[in-house]
Amino acid sequence: EPEVTQTPSHQVTQMGQEVILRCVPISNHLYFYWYRQILGQKVEFLVSFYNNEISEKSEIFDDQFSVERPDGSNFTLKIRSTKLEDSAMYFCASSVAGVNQPQHFGDGTRLSIL
Amino acid sequence: DQQVKQNSPSLSVQEGRISILNCDYTNSMFDYFLWYKKYPAEGPTFLISISSIKDKNEDGRFTVFLNKSAKHLSLHIVPSQPGDSAVYFCAAMANTGFQKLVFGTGTRLLVSP
Repeated sequence: EPEVTQTPSHQVTQMGQEVILRCVPISNHLYFYWYRQILGQKVEFLVSFYNNEISEKSEIFDDQFSVERPDGSNFTLKIRSTKLEDSAMYFCASSVAGVNQPQHFGDGTRLSIL
Repeated sequence: DQQVKQNSPSLSVQEGRISILNCDYTNSMFDYFLWYKKYPAEGPTFLISISSIKDKNEDGRFTVFLNKSAKHLSLHIVPSQPGDSAVYFCAAMANTGFQKLVFGTGTRLLVSP
């Protein structure tokens, strides 16, 4: 069964450094998402992406965050200058359509900011 | 922001019995609901969903019930198996044209042999 793949599984970065999290969505999916889960908290929506542009973003997704689909397969989340509070599990997801369709998640990248 | 609530942090059930996981929501704009299962060190795995035009959806051992007037949904697992032990998340999507999922806090299900 097709799946969403994320790399790396664990990223350790010094505060203030840039980090790029990578995702390969399911190949026939058109909508892409990033979520995060801080330890002990809910899974929170960050951003959705369709047709090469952001369709919605949360208040968490400030100017330090950006997303890109640099080629036909990868979908990336960049955090420009990481903060301690960015430490979390980051999940990529994709779906065939934008509404009334399940989103399928990758196994996540654990981001640890030191 | 408690738009989706799972009030039971944990549930223990014996193998072969029914597991019932509950979820309440407050946003009347939600019209699509999903259940995900999550094992440690893995991402959420989609289980089953229901649109607001239905009140029940069934897939094998999993059935989701939706009570729109009560803003309540539940997931029934029958019969429960030890491999079902995981954290179960309820999630909802609004009919506003945006695609974000709003998650509950999860219920940890333990199915004992």
